Amino acid sequence: GESVGLHLPTLSVQEGDNSIINCAYSNSASDYFIWYKQESGKGPQFIIDIRSNMDKRQGQRVTVLLNKTVKHLSLQIAATQPGDSAVYFCAERRFGNEKLTFGTGTRLTIIP
Amino acid sequence: DAGVIQSPRHEVTEMGQEVTLRCKPISGHNSLFWYRQTMMRGLELLIYFNNNVPIDDSGMPEDRFSAKMPNASFSTLKIQPSEPRDSAVYFCASSPKGPANTNTIYFGEGSWLTVV
Repeated sequence: GESVGLHLPTLSVQEGDNSIINCAYSNSASDYFIWYKQESGKGPQFIIDIRSNMDKRQGQRVTVLLNKTVKHLSLQIAATQPGDSAVYFCAERRFGNEKLTFGTGTRLTIIP
Repeated sequence: DAGVIQSPRHEVTEMGQEVTLRCKPISGHNSLFWYRQTMMRGLELLIYFNNNVPIDDSGMPEDRFSAKMPNASFSTLKIQPSEPRDSAVYFCASSPKGPANTNTIYFGEGSWLTVV
């Protein structure tokens, strides 16, 4: 079965607000957690990753939080823009293994 | 820079026909992945190559599927014979590094396959 999953299949957010996309995982052996964004008609695109020994990592307008106690991962997008509309996937990987296992995805819709 | 290039972008074929999907990875990348995406099963890794050598093909559904990478700049995924349940988007992806750090995988735009 899947080692990562998402709480909600869809999320609607007002433009300018912050978005929080959540992901639960079951495999404590994962070494990396990664977020990908997939726009309509395109392939997934890497956003940000976090190693399992970290609890927070920030990028440009995005922050990933990792709570190993409850096996929960979140992606926060600040000041959501129309271009953020996409499906967001969390994925996990083990060190030394190139295989990424993807979750089912959350569709983020931005309300003007 | 050119990204991962896949062809065809769209294909509609009849059940029983052979389908060949093609991929040109980003130049200099040494890992290549074939993923399949469906609504029911999401993104599944079918097979991946490192330095043209198949490393993990445990995701290949059955003997009808085969993948090759004859050189560093070309790979094919073949389905023979095709079935309606093979209808999906097939993504090729590549990454620049070995096992140490491959979280950044660059995907192509996919080959949309419909088998009728």
